[in-house]
Amino acid sequence: DTGVSQNPRHKITKRGQNVTFRCDPISEHNRLYWYRQTLGQGPEFLTYFQNEAQLEKSRLLSDRFSAERPKGSFSTLEIQRTEQGDSAMYLCASSPTGSAISGANVLTFGAGSRLTVL
Amino acid sequence: GDSVTQMEGPVTLSEEAFLTINCTYTATGYPSLFWYVQYPGEGLQLLLKATKADDKGSNKGFEATYRKETTSFHLEKGSVQVSDSAVYFCALSPFSGGYNKLIFGAGTRLAVHP
Repeated sequence: DTGVSQNPRHKITKRGQNVTFRCDPISEHNRLYWYRQTLGQGPEFLTYFQNEAQLEKSRLLSDRFSAERPKGSFSTLEIQRTEQGDSAMYLCASSPTGSAISGANVLTFGAGSRLTVL
Repeated sequence: GDSVTQMEGPVTLSEEAFLTINCTYTATGYPSLFWYVQYPGEGLQLLLKATKADDKGSNKGFEATYRKETTSFHLEKGSVQVSDSAVYFCALSPFSGGYNKLIFGAGTRLAVHP
């Protein structure tokens, strides 16, 4: 078990370009989450997958953002026509299936992908 | 909507001092509560959790008690070490039989000096 892996760790791009981040979750985890963290703030929920199905999207996820998890394993987060306000750390997390009530499905986070838009 | 409020940092302490980081929450129903820690250059790590009122979560000398009457989940440690220097996040997961969607506070930076 190598944990949650995210690539690239840091991406610098010019405004208007497209960027894609990849997340490889813990292999036996069915659930995958994307969060965004801006400087000095806590992570904010973006979206959630159960296997390959995207079951919830935050209002933060504008139409320039798209996330996929085509085979229920790795996931990608693409940002089109980047803006300076997109500069942030994008965090991926995964968890096993289990009840939130029991606390069984605790999230494991990756180290994040930092996006800088010039 | 649901939210988490943490005391602002940075918190600066000398080694072996007592630590309290305050956390209060607003939520409907009965959320689960968590403390996560973020060391420099690393991902968020779960520090401790509590899933129902009066539960006490503990790990690595840190403790927090789920207080429904005061809607609080304050983090405490009796004697901090330099290695505890990090950013600490309080979080809640809304009452749900399904997935664990976390709502985080803004984080509190702790700096411990020798």
